[in-house]
Amino acid sequence: GDSVTQMEGPVTLSEEAFLTINCTYTATGYPSLFWYVQYPGEGLQLLLKATKADDKGSNKGFEATYRKETTSFHLEKGSVQVSDSAVYFCALSDQNFNKFYFGSGTKLNVKP
Amino acid sequence: DAEITQSPRHKITETGRQVTLACHQTWNHNNMFWYRQDLGHGLRLIHYSYGVQDTNKGEVSDGYSVSRSNTEDLPLTLESAASSQTSVYFCASSESGPFGYEQYFGPGTRLTVT
Repeated sequence: GDSVTQMEGPVTLSEEAFLTINCTYTATGYPSLFWYVQYPGEGLQLLLKATKADDKGSNKGFEATYRKETTSFHLEKGSVQVSDSAVYFCALSDQNFNKFYFGSGTKLNVKP
Repeated sequence: DAEITQSPRHKITETGRQVTLACHQTWNHNNMFWYRQDLGHGLRLIHYSYGVQDTNKGEVSDGYSVSRSNTEDLPLTLESAASSQTSVYFCASSESGPFGYEQYFGPGTRLTVT
C-alpha cells in the first residue's frame, strides 16, 4: 500500500543554517505530495505541494521537488529562522480516493 | 472566511463513558476525515467520509464511529472510552477529485480518558 517515510527527528540547527528534511514515498499511480507544518498546540497547515513529477512546490523560503525517479520529496530551506521551529509532516494523496498518508513527522528546533 | 472548527478543544472523561467530538466546516467540502495524533505514530486515520450518508473505516477505527447527515458536520463518537484513546484528535476536510487537493485541518481536540 501507499506510505511515506521521513527522517527521524529532532533536527536541531542554528539560525541561518541550511535545512533538509528527507521524505520518500511508496505509491501506485500518480500521487500528489505535500509538506505540512504544525506549530505547538495547533493543527496542521499546508506548507507546499506538488501534483506531478518534476514540479517544485515553494512557500516562505521552503522548497521541495517531486522526484519520481527517486520517489522523493525532500524539504529544503536555505536559511532557517527561530520561527521555523515546528513539526514538519510529509504526506501523499492518492489520486483516486483523496486519502492522505502521512509520515511520522520531523521536529525542527532552531536555536538563535 | 471559510474554516473548520472542532469542539471541545479539551475534554477529560472517564473510562466507559460515551464521548462525541464535533467537527464543523464551512468550506462546503465533500470529503471529511478524522485522525488521531500520538507521539511516535504521526497521524493515523480513524474514519472518513466522501459525502452525506457515506462513511468509511480508516486504519484505527475500532471503538470509534461517525455519521454524516449533512455536508458541514462529521461528529466522532467514542462508544465506550478507553485509556488507549487518550490522544489529540484532528478533523480535516478537502475537495474531491483527482487534482491533488490539500486537506484543511481543524485546531484539534485534546482528549484525556482517566
